[in-house]
Amino acid sequence: QKEVEQNSGPLSVPEGAIASLNCTYSDRGSQSFFWYRQYSGKSPELIMFIYSNGDKEDGRFTAQLNKASQYVSLLIRDSQPSDSATYLCTTDKLIFGTGTRLQVFP
Amino acid sequence: SQTIHQWPATLVQPVGSPLSLECTVEGTSNPNLYWYRQAAGRGLQLLFYSVGIGQISSEVPQNLSASRPQDRQFILSSKKLLLSDSGFYLCAWGAGSNTEAFFGQGTRLTVV
Repeated sequence: QKEVEQNSGPLSVPEGAIASLNCTYSDRGSQSFFWYRQYSGKSPELIMFIYSNGDKEDGRFTAQLNKASQYVSLLIRDSQPSDSATYLCTTDKLIFGTGTRLQVFP
Repeated sequence: SQTIHQWPATLVQPVGSPLSLECTVEGTSNPNLYWYRQAAGRGLQLLFYSVGIGQISSEVPQNLSASRPQDRQFILSSKKLLLSDSGFYLCAWGAGSNTEAFFGQGTRLTVV
């Protein structure tokens, strides 16, 4: 079983819509969860982290954590074409999922 | 503020040649250091991590090795490159357990 699993996509959403990205993890002992964004040919950059069950909002981004179900999600509101990238999920072990490619079309 | 330097940005090497990629971190002490590889269109694969000088943990057995000769220096090496070693190599640092990692700009290695 992989440490972190994500649907590779692509996930295509129209501009202005909500993009929902999901991630499941296998280690129940994981304490911290991170979402990174990676543009093509570039290195990943951290966009959100979450430690506690529930929601955490930062601008257009909301991270959601459910430790009982072992999943973490990222919602992007008012999606923009500039959000088109691969979104990577990881735990405090820093073993990444394959990433979900998001495409936002005008 | 902390910065991470990784070089070179691109590298083309023949099969069977050696490899040395260097990564240094500034503005922090005793960071956790990581090497990742990303094959074309694939996710990040953790290769090595280090929690201190001379302490290296390998996640995936392969043709590569890592060393940490100084607190803020992390080196990825190979004695003989294979075609399958091609990829995007990323160095990252973290402040400790349960914290995020920050990535360098990466080295795109093509083995020909």
